[in-house]
Amino acid sequence: GAGVSQSPSNKVTEKGKDVELRCDPISGHTALYWYRQSLGQGLEFLIYFQGNSAPDKSGLPSDRFSAERTGGSVSTLTIQRTQQEDSAVYLCASSLTDLYGYTFGSGTRLTVV
Amino acid sequence: DQQVKQNSPSLSVQEGRISILNCDYTNSMFDYFLWYKKYPAEGPTFLISISSIKDKNEDGRFTVFLNKSAKHLSLHIVPSQPGDSAVYFCAARFGNQFYFGTGTSLTVIP
Repeated sequence: GAGVSQSPSNKVTEKGKDVELRCDPISGHTALYWYRQSLGQGLEFLIYFQGNSAPDKSGLPSDRFSAERTGGSVSTLTIQRTQQEDSAVYLCASSLTDLYGYTFGSGTRLTVV
Repeated sequence: DQQVKQNSPSLSVQEGRISILNCDYTNSMFDYFLWYKKYPAEGPTFLISISSIKDKNEDGRFTVFLNKSAKHLSLHIVPSQPGDSAVYFCAARFGNQFYFGTGTSLTVIP
């Protein structure tokens, strides 16, 4: 597609349930990032994929969070046993070169009730 | 620990005047800086960038200034237009990570 696609756009889940968020990056982009934006906060780095290299997971806030990227394209961010503090907008971005700015998706707004 | 700070959460400017958005950072190792613009319900879009070896970069109505000694970055928009109303994030790069400020909401009044 022409841009970075994220689904779902909105997700409401009960505390304790698992959720999966999906990101389709721009075709050919080797770098893929997950960020989240909580209310009143800046964008918080979560995880970074670059080609076939091992992902940089240093931003994941707890072991309830995991992400994978299949075939160097689509990525899934999984949050297990969701907590209310996980409520945020989760943004995915991809980049061709990883050296410059990159293209964001429109995000998934996650609400844990 | 917020390494990139935007201390003004909001800014209002008259159409045609200059908008100045400010950003401060703490890490002297940042080598690349960017500004993003974000409309409601959309992801941020890249606006303009500057390498740490430069002090100014201009693109049309948008100019980014970098003062490394002060660890300060600013975005100037002139003349401001109502369509510029959005949230503006500054970001800085270190290694393979980008660090974002909390954003400044700009309102351009017609």
